[in-house]
Amino acid sequence: SQQGEEDPQALSIQEGENATMNCSYKTSINNLQWYRQNSGRGLVHLILIRSNEREKHSGRLRVTLDTSKKSSSLLITASRAADTASYFCATDARSGGGADGLTFGKGTHLIIQP
Amino acid sequence: EAQVTQNPRYLITVTGKKLTVTCSQNMNHEYMSWYRQDPGLGLRQIYYSMNVEVTDKGDVPEGYKVSRKEKRNFPLILESPSPNQTSLYFCASRAWDLRAGKLFFGSGTQLSVL
Repeated sequence: SQQGEEDPQALSIQEGENATMNCSYKTSINNLQWYRQNSGRGLVHLILIRSNEREKHSGRLRVTLDTSKKSSSLLITASRAADTASYFCATDARSGGGADGLTFGKGTHLIIQP
Repeated sequence: EAQVTQNPRYLITVTGKKLTVTCSQNMNHEYMSWYRQDPGLGLRQIYYSMNVEVTDKGDVPEGYKVSRKEKRNFPLILESPSPNQTSLYFCASRAWDLRAGKLFFGSGTQLSVL
């Protein structure tokens, strides 16, 4: 079942600019994660933000979470050509004793123009 | 090196010919999962396993089987593949810990059913 929805579907920017992607979801979550996928390869975990956190940083990545609006954003600062990839948000909505895993959105395809 | 290993990377087969995609992880993770990725549909969960001998259906289980006889292995079985199972498949694993939701993905198996 679809939980997270990324926006925009595709984004093209110049190298050095900042890239912002958004994720909206529907139900309460334990945490929200962002993953990157290079073309046809496996997803790589970028960052996890828990439901009681509002902002988190990791290198050039900044993630925010607004549980009242059920939304998250991923900001990549000073973009590089190597950041060209698809980015997915994934929500973890497990409750105590539940067995569900992460639910992924359809992704934002980011293209960094040299 | 911590990793999830899937084999084969590419597979072309014909309708009805049984096949198995193998998945192995070396991180002693309890939780393992299979996803398929299709254009416009994102990642959809096929089956998951919380531990040895414990498996459950995801969102799109029809036409697939799994088994979890050992903690490290979680093969995906297509008893009678059909063309609508042509897709990119990913195996993933993670520790079963509410605080450690990070998924580790394999490199993917591109399956074509003719």
